[in-house]
Amino acid sequence: GAVVSQHPSRVICKSGTSVKIECRSLDFQATTMFWYRQFPKQSLMLMATSNEGSKATYEQGVEKDKFLINHASLTLSTLTVTSAHPEDSSFYICSAPRGSGYGYTFGSGTRLTVV
Amino acid sequence: GESVGLHLPTLSVQEGDNSIINCAYSNSASDYFIWYKQESGKGPQFIIDIRSNMDKRQGQRVTVLLNKTVKHLSLQIAATQPGDSAVYFCAERVGNEKLTFGTGTRLTIIP
Repeated sequence: GAVVSQHPSRVICKSGTSVKIECRSLDFQATTMFWYRQFPKQSLMLMATSNEGSKATYEQGVEKDKFLINHASLTLSTLTVTSAHPEDSSFYICSAPRGSGYGYTFGSGTRLTVV
Repeated sequence: GESVGLHLPTLSVQEGDNSIINCAYSNSASDYFIWYKQESGKGPQFIIDIRSNMDKRQGQRVTVLLNKTVKHLSLQIAATQPGDSAVYFCAERVGNEKLTFGTGTRLTIIP
């Protein structure tokens, strides 16, 4: 149980375009979703925390107008990378707490390449 | 906290031997810790967790040790197998559900 489905797994887009990444909780309600970014050979860095029905909380240095997060339902959170540039190329991963107070479920990640 | 660098620390272990991966965490108020395994191109996979009121927890072939005095966490993998080759991350949580990840260690099992 407690599965988070993340799509797409890979996407290549042109500079200046926008890309939407979806994370769906399949068998539980995710009131909170964490969005991470991971550059090659580096750790996961938290970008933002989305909460169902309210505005996302962004970490310092993350542009909220560039990385749009929507958490409109208890089972879906989306991250949209707007006006993508090659430096946005990275591995994006979502994660939701399981609600038991302990444990997190991670999506399988999205490899974004901006050309 | 630990700095994030361009090169992961690496550990090479002979197949069948035991491995120990270490992690220094940053916040003395962290109440929950998790070890994750990440294979190339995939999301983190849960290995084992431990709460701050414990100092040791065992799973199947894995043991996590927590030393709050020096803010140190370790993951011991017994009888390593080729499938254990991956990058291992520790993560800490401070109260509000947000996880902070450590730098990571690349474990390579030598056949």
